[in-house]
Amino acid sequence: IQLTQSPSSLSASVGDRVTITCRASQGISSYLAWYQQKPGKAPKLLIYAASTLQSGVPSRFSGSGSGTDFTLTISSLQPEDFATYYCQQLNSYPPPLTFGGGTKVEIK
Amino acid sequence: QLQLQESGPGLVKPSETLSLTCTVSGGSISSSSYYWGWIRQPPGKGLEWIGSIYYSGSTYYNPSLKSRVTISVDTSKNQFSLKLSSVTAADTAVYYCATGIAAAGNPVDYWGQGTLVTVSS
Repeated sequence: IQLTQSPSSLSASVGDRVTITCRASQGISSYLAWYQQKPGKAPKLLIYAASTLQSGVPSRFSGSGSGTDFTLTISSLQPEDFATYYCQQLNSYPPPLTFGGGTKVEIK
Repeated sequence: QLQLQESGPGLVKPSETLSLTCTVSGGSISSSSYYWGWIRQPPGKGLEWIGSIYYSGSTYYNPSLKSRVTISVDTSKNQFSLKLSSVTAADTAVYYCATGIAAAGNPVDYWGQGTLVTVSS
């Protein structure tokens, strides 16, 4: 299963609403997770099951979608949100659990 | 709360075997609830799933790496290991050990901090 994220990068300002999409090459139900990665750090789980917020993750993050098309939305971008975001399909069991190519969110 | 820590050489010569170990704390590696996996990230690039091992001993590898990868568990030390043979410069990456619930639909819950391995003579 291949995952295609778009855009690969974007520039946005603090307070902006940001939307990142992830498209799967075949249907994966709601078996999708989103991670945030900052430079030099391991990825951090934000959302799983396409729309379930991981404990401790701010509510400005939300996920939606099912089947092949998914979206990560940051409702009001904060300075600490500038990072790279990855989607991961969780449908293949056993793995490999492939990742999307990433979306880098930069400061405008 | 599981904690994972990678260890191993930071420099490997081309054609040799890369060997890394992940030490697990805060839980037992013998747990049937978790898989134990490796993920890598070349500098400036995205994440690549390498493979994983389960309580049963079953292993699953990325088809693109399968011929060169071995993942194993040492229950006496609460560790699991990665061996990648015949390395080239393309294998230069940050290598993460990772774990999650061993069932469909479950994300990677815990990550090691990552260790950079450079392949160079």
